[in-house]
Amino acid sequence: EAEVAQSPRYKITEKSQAVAFWCDPISGHATLYWYRQILGQGPELLVQFQDESVVDDSQLPKDRFSAERLKGVDSTLKIQPAELGDSAMYLCASSLVDGPTEAFFGQGTRLTVV
Amino acid sequence: GNSVTQMEGPVTLSEEAFLTINCTYTATGYPSLFWYVQYPGEGLQLLLKATKADDKGSNKGFEATYRKETTSFHLEKGSVQVSDSAVYFCALAGGSYIPTFGRGTSLIVHP
Repeated sequence: EAEVAQSPRYKITEKSQAVAFWCDPISGHATLYWYRQILGQGPELLVQFQDESVVDDSQLPKDRFSAERLKGVDSTLKIQPAELGDSAMYLCASSLVDGPTEAFFGQGTRLTVV
Repeated sequence: GNSVTQMEGPVTLSEEAFLTINCTYTATGYPSLFWYVQYPGEGLQLLLKATKADDKGSNKGFEATYRKETTSFHLEKGSVQVSDSAVYFCALAGGSYIPTFGRGTSLIVHP
């Protein structure tokens, strides 16, 4: 069964260091999302791609976060420098098209900043 | 901006009890509404959805009706099982709406 792949599953980093997460969506899915989920809260959208273009990044802290999807397939989310408050689960999801269609989620990357 | 509000958990029930998890939303217009479920150690999975007012989404014995007049999308199940124990998220999305999730409601079902 096709699924969204994310790596690493867990990451511990020191504050002020750089960290990167990778996501490989389900083949053929044009829309890709990165979410941040703080413990006890719902996912918050950071960035949405349609193919290689950013559709929405209004909630992405652009002073330290960046995201790219160069060939419209897999994607990387980077944080530099990491801060203690960035500790959270980072979720990637993909869907065939934008709109009211099912989004498939990966298992996430649990980031701990120490 | 748009928002989704869910009842706080945990909701603790005995097996075969009736389940309701309340969800209300704030949005301009008519977004699509979703319920996702997250089992321990796993990613979110779509449980059901409704794309317009008065639609009823259903799956695995769960159901929810899109109520425009009360801006609600409450999740119900007539008889819960231990295997339903998970965290449930209500969400809105579609069209120009930024996909927005509620805080999640933890369900614990005891034998």
